[in-house]
Amino acid sequence: EDQVTQSPEALRLQEGESSSLNCSYTVSGLRGLFWYRQDPGKGPEFLFTLYSAGEEKEKERLKATLTKKESFLHITAPKPEDSATYLCAVQAGDNDYKLSFGAGTTVTVRA
Amino acid sequence: DAGVTQSPTHLIKTRGQHVTLRCSPISGHKSVSWYQQVLGQGPQFIFQYYEKEERGRGNFPDRFSARQFPNYSSELNVNALLLGDSALYLCASSFNHNPEAFFGQGTRLTVV
Repeated sequence: EDQVTQSPEALRLQEGESSSLNCSYTVSGLRGLFWYRQDPGKGPEFLFTLYSAGEEKEKERLKATLTKKESFLHITAPKPEDSATYLCAVQAGDNDYKLSFGAGTTVTVRA
Repeated sequence: DAGVTQSPTHLIKTRGQHVTLRCSPISGHKSVSWYQQVLGQGPQFIFQYYEKEERGRGNFPDRFSARQFPNYSSELNVNALLLGDSALYLCASSFNHNPEAFFGQGTRLTVV
């Protein structure tokens, strides 16, 4: 069964203090790894898709990277508006109809 | 362009009742998936429908059912509600077999 583990569970940052979130996964034949941002009481907002080891994607202060066993979401010089829960999900080649999510990392950025 | 829309946004039901949740996908998207998110956890897959056919089902009891209509909108039905069914129910749509899924704002179901 696909497994996705995110760490840390919670992260408190000072504005401008860069950090990284980790997503480790076990899946049979990775079809894609996805990062989402979720604000309280809202649906997840799509950020990135990564398909193969070595791939990197960037969007504003966020950068996602992928290896064969894990993915990192780097937050550079965060601002308070980056406060949210960041979810990682995988899609396996033999179950291409569903996403398997981790529990998320809740990031709080203080001004 | 309108994103994925879900209705209602909030709902309170009593144990044993039935509930129907509705979802309209992004225009042009033919695939709709349903997820359940309990507080503090990641979303859990319930169903996926593509072109009105069920493509996949998660580990949920038969009390949960869904269908997709000719206009690609979808309904999730839950019978004999339990307290443990209280959660945020999320609908996601994707373009054909594209793996990228876009979520609606969810329906917050509270069972009392």
